[in-house]
Amino acid sequence: QVQLQQWGAGLLKPSETLSLTCAVFGGSFSAYYWNWIRQPPGKGLEWIGEINHGGSTKYNPSLKSRVTISVDTSKKQVSLKLSSVTAADTAVYYCARGSGSGNYRGVLDYWGQGTLVTVSS
Amino acid sequence: DIQMTQSPSSVSASVGDRVTITCRASQDISSWLAWYQQKPGKAPKLLIYAASSLQSGVPSRFSGSGSGTDFTLTISSLQPEDFAAYYCQQANSFPLTFGGGTKVEIK
Repeated sequence: QVQLQQWGAGLLKPSETLSLTCAVFGGSFSAYYWNWIRQPPGKGLEWIGEINHGGSTKYNPSLKSRVTISVDTSKKQVSLKLSSVTAADTAVYYCARGSGSGNYRGVLDYWGQGTLVTVSS
Repeated sequence: DIQMTQSPSSVSASVGDRVTITCRASQDISSWLAWYQQKPGKAPKLLIYAASSLQSGVPSRFSGSGSGTDFTLTISSLQPEDFAAYYCQQANSFPLTFGGGTKVEIK
């Protein structure tokens, strides 16, 4: 059974850097793409970016200048950093697995539990 | 970016009702559409992928159809556990994008 467990700081001040980590338990790590998605309170879902085991990334152009996604294959972990946060970055952040190759990597079949990150002075 | 538009934004229905949710893409996405269910305080759950393929373990009362730009999610007989928010998402091209969501509420 695949499980994604995520953690990170939940309260940040404006201009700080958001940092979250997602650990993968069960299943193959190297065969899939790993994604970050966020959801502001009461709003819809926004895709942040993806990474594979080799470190190849794709980012949402709307966040690209501030986002870094990295991977540690030895620990089966992926990490998200978002710099210069503002109140607009307040959201629940999720990690999720892309279910296969080709276009199937965009189908998100396993999700982490979510981490609420609040940006407030 | 491909824009995904869902309708309605909310629907009130009773247990046993048939519910249909529509999703429209701003350009042709072939069949690269997924549907997710989200309950309050929980992560989204994959229901349907490739427009009409049922994810393992998902009840058969859920079905999806469509291709190109127009898609539907149908719940054939609404159950108490189906009251939730539903999102469509295109997997045709990056960035991945989601519809604004449809909240299925109890009438």
